[in-house]
Amino acid sequence: DSGVTQTPKHLITATGQRVTLRCSPRSGDLSVYWYQQSLDQGLQFLIQYYNGEERAKGNILERFSAQQFPDLHSELNLSSLELGDSALYFCASSGYRDPSTDTQYFGPGTRLTVL
Amino acid sequence: AQSVTQLGSHVSVSEGALVLLRCNYSSSVPPYLFWYVQYPNQGLQLLLKYTTGATLVKGINGFEAEFKKSETSFHLTKPSAHMSDAAEYFCAVSESFGNEKLTFGTGTRLTIIP
Repeated sequence: DSGVTQTPKHLITATGQRVTLRCSPRSGDLSVYWYQQSLDQGLQFLIQYYNGEERAKGNILERFSAQQFPDLHSELNLSSLELGDSALYFCASSGYRDPSTDTQYFGPGTRLTVL
Repeated sequence: AQSVTQLGSHVSVSEGALVLLRCNYSSSVPPYLFWYVQYPNQGLQLLLKYTTGATLVKGINGFEAEFKKSETSFHLTKPSAHMSDAAEYFCAVSESFGNEKLTFGTGTRLTIIP
């Protein structure tokens, strides 16, 4: 158990819909990362938040957005869903304090299926 | 830009044999390198990482990896494979503190033959 929790575990929805994925980081970790794992794209970095502020952006579509709240949990919002958005979405957290010891710990993921 | 190449999307070894999973990276700055393992229907678990210092890094479950700058490689090895090692393995690179996003390779699925 990494200490990172993600809900829900599975999500099935229809094209055009909007969903919200939730992530709670490990206790004390200030940084949250979102990754997408799909068969055709592999594991891709989407976005990073640090203490409530957006820190880095990767291959995140404009239909997707994220935020980190004062209690440090994060939500990834996916809208106007397409079939190709079906994937496993991972959240990771790190302390972002010491590069020699910092590690990203991954949650169990949310499997999104768009029908 | 950083990138990772994992040679061999599928590797099969006999139980008790040497495991060797290959990873080459490209980075414009001294990299941080990682190996993660993913068991079926589970998240990613860190096996080991290299940041600075000793180039031979030991991780969990008997795995180790050696950072070779001249070869831009970070291959993962284990002397004797166990059935429980069957999983997908991902090599990843990040560039620096402050630019921590992980860039992953495409993964290697390891099968252990009894």
